[in-house]
Amino acid sequence: DIQMTQSPSTLSASVGDRVTITCRASQSITTWLAWYQQRPGTAPKLLIYKASILDRGVPSRFSGSGSGTEFTLTISNLQPDDFATYFCQQSDGYSFTFGPGTKVDVK
Amino acid sequence: QLQLQESGPGLVKYSETLSLTCSVSEASVGTSSYYWGWIRQSPGRGLEWIGSVYQSVNTYYNPSLKSRVTIPVDTSQNQFSLRLTSVTAADTAIYYCVRLYKQLRLVDSWGQGTVVTVSS
Repeated sequence: DIQMTQSPSTLSASVGDRVTITCRASQSITTWLAWYQQRPGTAPKLLIYKASILDRGVPSRFSGSGSGTEFTLTISNLQPDDFATYFCQQSDGYSFTFGPGTKVDVK
Repeated sequence: QLQLQESGPGLVKYSETLSLTCSVSEASVGTSSYYWGWIRQSPGRGLEWIGSVYQSVNTYYNPSLKSRVTIPVDTSQNQFSLRLTSVTAADTAIYYCVRLYKQLRLVDSWGQGTVVTVSS
């Protein structure tokens, strides 16, 4: 089974900051990686798929990169709506595995 | 717009069977482009994929849960369900029904989630 890790587990930041979250897979997943945002009390929402493609309606301040085993999610110019928890997810097409999450909170 | 709505008991007794249903609107559970499935979330386990069903008959389950899980589909009602047997406290979680886009290997729609607590 492919395991996913994320760092950091918590990130404190201010509005306007640029933040970067890292996700690592235990073996190569090429670019089959997605990122989700979850606000308290709501279901996760898809942000990015295939490592770097923004889902429809996602602001351009979000970007993703990486391939193989290491991936990053970057939020430039952090906005108040962006304080949330972010998860990465991989799939082999049949099973799905999520990272443990990174909480972005207010510094 | 696609809507997924979970329903079922919020409290299940230890060792009994957890049963939830997902009602789908504005899409067909028999469609060929998507899986339909269940994901749960708890503080201890994070987000955990439970299983998926494809074209109403092909099922895929998390190996750690496979012996206890079934995901039946009712195409006449446009619903799918989750049955998890022999529950323990570790099965206490928020349960989401989801649509998974097979080609791009992602979850593109989520229900609002339903809290299930296992009581002793």
